[in-house]
Amino acid sequence: QVQLVQSGSELREPGASVKVSCKTSGYTFRTYAINWVRQAPGQGLEWMGWINTNTGNPTYAQGFTGRFVFSVDTSISTAYLQINSLKADDTGVYYCAKTTPVGALDPWGQGTLVTVSS
Amino acid sequence: EILMTQSPGILSLSPGEAATLSCRASQSVTKLAWYQQKPGQAPRLLIYGTSTRATGIPARFSGSGSGTEFTLTVTSLQSEDFAIYYCQQYNNWPRGTFGQGTKVELK
Repeated sequence: QVQLVQSGSELREPGASVKVSCKTSGYTFRTYAINWVRQAPGQGLEWMGWINTNTGNPTYAQGFTGRFVFSVDTSISTAYLQINSLKADDTGVYYCAKTTPVGALDPWGQGTLVTVSS
Repeated sequence: EILMTQSPGILSLSPGEAATLSCRASQSVTKLAWYQQKPGQAPRLLIYGTSTRATGIPARFSGSGSGTEFTLTVTSLQSEDFAIYYCQQYNNWPRGTFGQGTKVELK
C-alpha cells in the first residue's frame, strides 16, 4: 500500500537549519506531486506548497518563500523540506502528503515535530 | 487569494446525533475536500471532489455543495467520529487553502 514515512522529531536553535525527509513507497514516485503542510501547536493546517516530483520544480505558498526549500531524490523516492534561518514561530508539526490523481491529499506522512528553541 | 471559512468552530453533540459542518469559500471553487484529524494523528482524507468518499470512508459521511457553500454531514455520530474536520479547496491559487477547522466534541 502507499506509505509516506517521515523522519523523526528535531530540536534546533534559532538561526539553524533543519531538513525533514518524507520517504514514499507503494507507488511510482515521479507520478504524483508531494505537498507540505504545517501545523503550529494547537492550530489548524497551513498549506506550504508542493513539488513536482518528476521535474523537481517547487511551488511555494505565500509566507513560505525564501527560507523554505522543497527538493526530491527520485533514486530513493524521497522528498525533503529544508527550513533555513529557523525562527521560534517555525515550531510545529510538518506533514508531507501525496497528491491524488484528482488533486486532494492522500495519504499523509505521520508528521515531523520541529521545535525551535534556545 | 481564496479564503476558506468553516463554521461552527465547535460542535457539541452526542453519539447517534447528526453533524452538519459548513465551509464557505471567498470565491467560487470547483474542487473541495474534507479531512478528519484526531489528536496526535495526521489528517485523513474523507471526501474529495465535493462529494466523493475516499477509499474506506463509511457511508455516514457525505459531502455536498457548489460554488462557495459546502457541507459535510455525518449521520449518526459514532465515538470515533469526534475529531477536527478541515475543508480544503485545491483548484484555485493558492492551491491548497484549508479552512480553520471545526471541532466535533462530545456533549
